[in-house]
Formats: sequence, structure tokens, C-alpha cells
Amino acid sequence: DAGVTQSPTHLIKTRGQQVTLRCSPKSGHDTVSWYQQALGQGPQFIFQYYEEEERQRGNFPDRFSGHQFPNYSSELNVNALLLGDSALYLCASSLVPVERAEQYFGPGTRLTVT
Amino acid sequence: AQSVAQPEDQVNVAEGNPLTVKCTYSVSGNPYLFWYVQYPNRGLQFLLKYITGDNLVKGSYGFEAEFNKSQTSFHLKKPSALVSDSALYFCAVREDSGGYNKLIFGAGTRLAVHP
Repeated sequence: DAGVTQSPTHLIKTRGQQVTLRCSPKSGHDTVSWYQQALGQGPQFIFQYYEEEERQRGNFPDRFSGHQFPNYSSELNVNALLLGDSALYLCASSLVPVERAEQYFGPGTRLTVT
Repeated sequence: AQSVAQPEDQVNVAEGNPLTVKCTYSVSGNPYLFWYVQYPNRGLQFLLKYITGDNLVKGSYGFEAEFNKSQTSFHLKKPSALVSDSALYFCAVREDSGGYNKLIFGAGTRLAVHP
């Protein structure tokens, strides 16, 4: 049973560019959440998708957007990249609204903005 | 708003000794608490959770956590540390909103187990 997978593993972009990160949830999971983990910090919640709609959003600007597909996979898009967007981006999947379900995380995509 | 605090940036322990990684929380309502571990260049791995029930929760790799409501703490413990336990540990609290939920993480504690 495959766990959460993310692609690409690493990515280097230039300021002002746009980037798309991809995530496939754990088999059987229908909800995908995205987190940003800056160096030396804990993960920060970006947003969550369920039934192809954004259900919750953290304190991130509109430059961060996402999408969920019918097969539950998801994309995170970041426009007009800033140096401060350099981070590890983590995708997590779970079952919602099962009250007691924990989130399972992928290995992350390391984004470097130069 | 929910929050967790991990007061120690780093914990050092000798192999074979017991270890404790501290976490305190602030929530409105019932706390749903989690511990995750992160190895270098890896994502987060789930260790254990507290939802309700016994205050001592057992998890993966011999780890356990003690929930203390009066002290609003959820400390991670292991009776005998291994060098391979060296990693970054995150405490998290689940915040529910309209039937959906997200995790609020602490800043993390680096555990170093010395031979």
C-alpha cells in the first residue's frame, strides 16, 4: 500500500517565477492538506482540499493556490515566487470528516528560490 | 486559537537512558494531541496520538506519551533511548473547524542520543 507521494523531490526556481508541486494521497484517503516548513521551524498549515474544494486556509497570501482532482490527488501552485518561499512543502492526507483520523505525511518537496 | 509549545530546542541523552521531550498545549475544548518525528530530508512520521481515554498513550518504536490535563502537558517518553532515535520531534494539536481539521505544530525539539 503506497503512502503519500510527492513530486518533485527538489526544485530550484528564480524570484518571480511560478511553481507547481504535486501530491498523491495514501490509498483510501480523500482529503489533502498542504504545509510549509521553513528551515528550523515547525510546519505551517497552508490549506486543505476535500471533494475538490478548498475547505480551510491558513494565513498565506493568494499567491498560494491549489487544486484537487477527482482521484483525490492535489497540486499546490505558488505564483510570483519570493525568496521567503524557500521551504520544504509537505503534503498530508487523511479521511475527513472522520473525527479521530491522523494525517499521514509525504516526504516533501524542497523548494529553493534564488 | 489552539497552540503547542516545545520549550527545549534540543535534548541530549545517552544511549540506554530514558528520554523525555516536553510539550505543553493551549486549547479550547477537548485536546487532540499528536507526536510526529522527522528524520533528515524526510517527511513527518506519525508516532502517537491522544484523543481520549488513558492518560498514557503507547505509540510506534517504543515511544509513549503522558497526557496531563492539569498541567496541560503531553510529554513524549521512551524508557531506553537508541542512537537511531536521534531526529527532530514535533508536538501538534488538532484544530477543528466546521467538520474539518488542521494540525498546529510546535517549533520542534531536536533529540540527540549519544553512544
